[in-house]
Amino acid sequence: DAGVTQSPTHLIKTRGQQVTLRCSPKSGHDTVSWYQQALGQGPQFIFQYYEEEERQRGNFPDRFSGHQFPNYSSELNVNALLLGDSALYLCASSLGGGLAGLGKYFGPGTRLTVT
Amino acid sequence: GEDVEQSLFLSVREGDSSVINCTYTDSSSTYLYWYKQEPGAGLQLLTYIFSNMDMKQDQRLTVLLNKKDKHLSLRIADTQTGDSAIYFCAESATSGTYKYIFGTGTRLKVLA
Repeated sequence: DAGVTQSPTHLIKTRGQQVTLRCSPKSGHDTVSWYQQALGQGPQFIFQYYEEEERQRGNFPDRFSGHQFPNYSSELNVNALLLGDSALYLCASSLGGGLAGLGKYFGPGTRLTVT
Repeated sequence: GEDVEQSLFLSVREGDSSVINCTYTDSSSTYLYWYKQEPGAGLQLLTYIFSNMDMKQDQRLTVLLNKKDKHLSLRIADTQTGDSAIYFCAESATSGTYKYIFGTGTRLKVLA
């Protein structure tokens, strides 16, 4: 049973560039959430996708956007990168649109470094 | 408001019990979770508890919830060196939001 997978593992970008991160949810899951984890901090919610639509968004600027595909996989796009965007980006999958209590399963993350 | 607080560090000897504490402020929280993060890895879901429960036990893990004080704890019995990691508590509500609010994490160091 494949868990949540993310690519790439590591990424180095320059300020002002754009980046796309990818996530495949755990087998059988249909909901994908993205979190940003800065060094020494807990994960912060970016947004969640269900049925190919953004259901909820955290306190992140419009530079952060996403997409969910019919096979439930998802992409996170960040435009006009800032140094402060350097973080571990975590994808979490769950079932049923994020119904509480079912638990989210996290991938290993993509480490983004902006120089 | 939404805030989850945890102590930053905990050090225990191998074989002892570890107790990691968490406090939360959102009164609408109905599910609380414990996640484990090892170096360079993502988050591993350890266990969760529904707010109408006081305790949940799962092998070496015991979760205690004091809803009145909004206090959650995770007890690890017979702590092993492999338990060394960062432990996060997180809260979510049953409706109106799909996000989890995480604490800053407690770094557990197990001494051999």
